Amino acid sequence: DTAVSQTPKYLVTQMGNDKSIKCEQNLGHDTMYWYKQDSKKFLKIMFSYNNKELIINETVPNRFSPKSPDKAHLNLHINSLELGDSAVYFCASSQGTSGGYNEQFFGPGTRLTVL
Amino acid sequence: AQTVTQSQPEMSVQEAETVTLSCTYDTSESDYYLFWYKQPPSRQMILVIRQEAYKQQNATENRFSVNFQKAAKSFSLKISDSQLGDAAMYFCAYRGTFAGNMLTFGGGTRLMVKP
Repeated sequence: DTAVSQTPKYLVTQMGNDKSIKCEQNLGHDTMYWYKQDSKKFLKIMFSYNNKELIINETVPNRFSPKSPDKAHLNLHINSLELGDSAVYFCASSQGTSGGYNEQFFGPGTRLTVL
Repeated sequence: AQTVTQSQPEMSVQEAETVTLSCTYDTSESDYYLFWYKQPPSRQMILVIRQEAYKQQNATENRFSVNFQKAAKSFSLKISDSQLGDAAMYFCAYRGTFAGNMLTFGGGTRLMVKP
């Protein structure tokens, strides 16, 4: 039983292309996130959605657009891919956004390579 | 903005021995949550241990324990009886109470376990 799943796990594409990464959670959580892990392993929040509403939007180029069709899914669409977009992208989910630990459960990550 | 610092890029420990990974953070909040995540070569982010700032007692999970020093803003992870399977990247993370549950990560420490 996969709690947070991402597809694809690996994505290799050319500069300038548009690509999407899908994320689904079966935990019944209300909040989902996208994090980016760069080549030096540094992890940084990109977006957060709570009940399909955007609540965190860090300084991310507007080529990145998250879409949440329902609270179990949060997809990441990237336009006009650049070399610097190469990274591992993690989806995560949590029960809520406040009160208690609200532990975040992470997906397996998607390694994006832009050539 | 909160920052999390892990001053040890790499650590090494002999199997069965004890190792301590350091983490310091900067915040003006009085209540917050701290986490240690493990990332093995599989890339999966695994929660190891968590601590709420208001709880004075240090958290313990089997061979993993923390030394939480609130005044010093320090949150170190101790791994006892190290096993080969403990070899991984370890990330310290901070979650405040007003930031939509986003996690702020440290730069990570790569732990190597020698047989």
